[in-house]
Amino acid sequence: ELKVEQNPLFLSMQEGKNYTIYCNYSTTSDRLYWYRQDPGKSLESLFVLLSNGAVKQEGRLMASLDTKARLSTLHITAAVHDLSATYFCAVDSLTSGSRLTFGEGTQLTVNP
Amino acid sequence: NAGVTQTPKFRVLKTGQSMTLLCAQDMNHEYMYWYRQDPGMGLRLIHYSVGEGTTAKGEVPDGYNVSRLKKQNFLLGLESAAPSQTSVYFCASKPRGWYNEQFFGPGTRLTVL
Repeated sequence: ELKVEQNPLFLSMQEGKNYTIYCNYSTTSDRLYWYRQDPGKSLESLFVLLSNGAVKQEGRLMASLDTKARLSTLHITAAVHDLSATYFCAVDSLTSGSRLTFGEGTQLTVNP
Repeated sequence: NAGVTQTPKFRVLKTGQSMTLLCAQDMNHEYMYWYRQDPGMGLRLIHYSVGEGTTAKGEVPDGYNVSRLKKQNFLLGLESAAPSQTSVYFCASKPRGWYNEQFFGPGTRLTVL
């Protein structure tokens, strides 16, 4: 059974600071996805990582994937208040139906 | 394109009542999914479908049934609602293909009293 763990689950940080969210998973996969969710809203796709060593960047967010370590990171650079949201990683189990297993989510609050 | 839409947005049920949640997508996607989201537990897959007329169980299927009679619609039914089914329900879809970026609907907030 594929398990996906994120840490930290709650993150409060000041504007301008850097931080990293970690996503560990338990079985072999080379496909990992990051989503953002604002309170009361749906999930918005941020990054699609499809191979070992993949790195994607969008604005102040950068995601990477290390399939050998079964680890993905979401790095936040010089945080701003608008980044406050819950971030989910999701791993493709490579089974039929293309099912995703989600982490518990990291609730990020960026304080002025 | 409207993308993925869900009906209704909110619903309150009494224990034992039944209801159907509707998911519709206009992107001609083959695959569709129903998830539930509970506080602190992320999203969990209830049922999914890889094409019209086919459905399969996900991680937490008990107490739910689904149907995919048309490619664009995926229905989630609760035959006898229980308080444990109080949750936010999300539908998602994706095209056939080797990578798995799913597109999510706005969600349905269901409360069972």
